[in-house]
Amino acid sequence: DTAVSQTPKYLVTQMGNDKSIKCEQNLGHDTMYWYKQDSKKFLKIMFSYNNKELIINETVPNRFSPKSPDKAHLNLHINSLELGDSAVYFCASSLAGPGEQYFGPGTRLTVT
Amino acid sequence: ELKVEQNPLFLSMQEGKNYTIYCNYSTTSDRLYWYRQDPGKSLESLFVLLSNGAVKQEGRLMASLDTKARLSTLHITAAVHDLSATYFCAVINTGTASKLTFGTGTRLQVTL
Repeated sequence: DTAVSQTPKYLVTQMGNDKSIKCEQNLGHDTMYWYKQDSKKFLKIMFSYNNKELIINETVPNRFSPKSPDKAHLNLHINSLELGDSAVYFCASSLAGPGEQYFGPGTRLTVT
Repeated sequence: ELKVEQNPLFLSMQEGKNYTIYCNYSTTSDRLYWYRQDPGKSLESLFVLLSNGAVKQEGRLMASLDTKARLSTLHITAAVHDLSATYFCAVINTGTASKLTFGTGTRLQVTL
């Protein structure tokens, strides 16, 4: 059973398009996250939700909008994609608060 | 703002050798995590260190935490090729919006 799953795994799109990435966890965790990993492997948190409530909203362009329909799902919608958005996006979850986190497989986004 | 630095950033070592990866962080924290990432893969939790003096061992890897020195080490004993990966430490900053801040990562390459 996959604990944290993301779709799609790969996403290739053109500048200016809008795209979404979906994340689901079946661990019964309360907290979910989106991270961005750039080409130098640096990992930075973007958003954190606790039980559907936005807890952390880092300095991320307004083009990025997370949505949590329930505590098992956290989706990421990106408007007007730019070249600099190319990266691997990881979803993660933790039991409650920023403890040990379990990561999804990642979505490699390439903007051309 | 919490800063987490690892060194070295890249480590090439021969099988059978020992080495240590260092993780320094800039503000008080008593929770530190080590993750492993294989190329093109997700992050896998290795160790959770929750108090000063904590030491955890799994196979050829041993992690320790010195909260007074704000330092964690990941020691590799008699390295084998399978340990080749990128290793991240991550520290929780305490505050109104606690989050996990990742180190820069150490890419370990074990050669035959």
